[in-house]
Amino acid sequence: DADVTQTPRNRITKTGKRIMLECSQTKGHDRMYWYRQDPGLGLQLIYYSFDVKDINKGEISDGYSVSRQAQAKFSLSLESAIPNQTALYFCATSDLNGNGYTFGSGTRLTVV
Amino acid sequence: AQKITQTQPGMFVQEKEAVTLDCTYDTSDPSYGLFWYKQPSSGEMIFLIYQGSYDQQNATEGRYSLNFQKARKSANLVISASQLGDSAMYFCAWPRGQLIWGAGTKLIIKP
Repeated sequence: DADVTQTPRNRITKTGKRIMLECSQTKGHDRMYWYRQDPGLGLQLIYYSFDVKDINKGEISDGYSVSRQAQAKFSLSLESAIPNQTALYFCATSDLNGNGYTFGSGTRLTVV
Repeated sequence: AQKITQTQPGMFVQEKEAVTLDCTYDTSDPSYGLFWYKQPSSGEMIFLIYQGSYDQQNATEGRYSLNFQKARKSANLVISASQLGDSAMYFCAWPRGQLIWGAGTKLIIKP
């Protein structure tokens, strides 16, 4: 099993729908992150969490929300999806010192 | 603002040649390191190599090595004996709690 698992792997949804992307990890890491990657570009940070009670906005948090249900689970929600949120979404984890970065396989989201 | 710069949007390299991918950083913080990741067309992000700023020797992982030059604030990735499977996007990233990413270099290996 992968250390960081993202579900679903691919999703097509309609404008205005609420959608949740799930991430779970077996690394035992405290820190978890959600990144977004637009075609041909680098990654941008949406939200990050240093522990279950600590949630922080990244550089592009508008239109997104997160929930850290447990140390191992960090979900990302799009409350009302819009077409420019079509992107590849990555979940990642790291230890307390920011080391051991591990990425999930990504979720390709298409909003039509 | 502290940032990471990859100046090569794309590169074509002949198979079996060595490749150097550039990455420069703009920071006054001495406590940094650099990651390099590979992203093939399938989309997953694959960790290649990491070096901490206090490491005395350049990191090496198989055909990958990191040429860290502090005076130039650069941390270039060197791929020796390139293979067709090396064709991908390559990103350098700087750990500052979260990772700060370069824009990436698209590498295409020609047969």
